[in-house]
Amino acid sequence: AQSVAQPEDQVNVAEGNPLTVKCTYSVSGNPYLFWYVQYPNRGLQFLLKYITGDNLVKGSYGFEAEFNKSQTSFHLKKPSALVSDSALYFCAVRVHNNAGNMLTFGGGTRLMVKP
Amino acid sequence: NAGVTQTPKFRILKIGQSMTLQCTQDMNHNYMYWYRQDPGMGLKLIYYSVGAGITDKGEVPNGYNVSRSTTEDFPLRLELAAPSQTSVYFCASGKDTQYFGPGTRLTVL
Repeated sequence: AQSVAQPEDQVNVAEGNPLTVKCTYSVSGNPYLFWYVQYPNRGLQFLLKYITGDNLVKGSYGFEAEFNKSQTSFHLKKPSALVSDSALYFCAVRVHNNAGNMLTFGGGTRLMVKP
Repeated sequence: NAGVTQTPKFRILKIGQSMTLQCTQDMNHNYMYWYRQDPGMGLKLIYYSVGAGITDKGEVPNGYNVSRSTTEDFPLRLELAAPSQTSVYFCASGKDTQYFGPGTRLTVL
């Protein structure tokens, strides 16, 4: 079984400050980890993924995420938040070669960036 | 490049009615998926397909059916709509990374 937890329903940050959106996971096997962003009334947009290799993954719009195997975490970060980053963020996980490459999503974290 | 497209964008159904949600992708992906997103919740997988002619159940398949006659199309069928099927439905495609359509907002009254 695979599961994802996003412990914060909402994260508030001031524009220009660094942001972190937390994600922890549970899988049997090596995880593939993903971050998606959803703007109002839109579909999910892919931000970044970790498959293997360097634990620090860089993605779209200046976002990055750090894979920490010992803490089973994959937190999303950005050095300087923009108001336009305000959206709903989803972490997702799957194990390599599970049937259908099925993703399991966390419940989402709403990021609010205030001017 | 259109990516994943879904129709309709919005629909209101009466209890017991049926409808088909359409999904088309132009990326030649073998893997396609249907999810539902309920308010304040993450996405739940309804059905998936790993290629034309092959479909399988996800986490919440009850009340839905799918077919996959071509690589491009993966329609989702609701046979007897119920209020519990009020949700936003997303189609996605891709094997290593999933790419999502814009969604269909369905209300069953």
